[in-house]
Amino acid sequence: QITLKESGPTLVKPTQTLTLTCTFSGFSLSTSGVGVGWIRQPPGKALEWLALIYWNDDKRYSPSLKSRLTITKDTSKNQVVLTMTNMDPVDTATYYCAHAKVAGGLYWFDPWGQGTLVTVSS
Amino acid sequence: QSVLTQPPSVSGAPGQRVTISCTGSSSNIGAGYDVHWYQQLPGTAPKLLIYGNSNRPSGVPDRFSGSKSGTSASLAITGLQAEDEADYYCQSYDSSLSGSGVFGTGTKVTVL
Repeated sequence: QITLKESGPTLVKPTQTLTLTCTFSGFSLSTSGVGVGWIRQPPGKALEWLALIYWNDDKRYSPSLKSRLTITKDTSKNQVVLTMTNMDPVDTATYYCAHAKVAGGLYWFDPWGQGTLVTVSS
Repeated sequence: QSVLTQPPSVSGAPGQRVTISCTGSSSNIGAGYDVHWYQQLPGTAPKLLIYGNSNRPSGVPDRFSGSKSGTSASLAITGLQAEDEADYYCQSYDSSLSGSGVFGTGTKVTVL
């Protein structure tokens, strides 16, 4: 059974850097065809794709946020870390990590973590 | 702004059939990239409903079905039930976005 759980601060100040950790079990991020993605959802709004890291350490970022995002993995700890710099109140959202099944370079997310709400406010 | 457009809401009575469209372009759905669908019940994380355009994961009722044609995809729910009231999102890949993925704008399904 695959499970994922997000952890990190619930409140950050504007201009600060957000660091979120996704701790997972039930799969290895060194296995071919596997990835972990980050997705966020502002309150009452739609899902927004943020970043994805593949088993081979290939990384993809949302073009609109690429300059602010970094995704890394620690295979030995079964963790994926997302950092987002220069946080702004518009970044207030629930942040999800999800297991990605990769097939032919494309992927879908299943399952998802429970999500963690991050509020940006001074 | 998402490149995949969905209707903001659809509704139907119990037992009816509803469909949700996901309209893209030649750089995503029209390029042949697969479409996946997620269901998000109130206050919960999204759950995979359909992958690879029309495949249901184990445990998903066969009331849910997906299809794709041209630059659009559709999710159909037949025999609508009260428990189907949720938000639904499509997801695909867009070659114009430097290898990143994209979600649709989301559709709220209301059971009347």
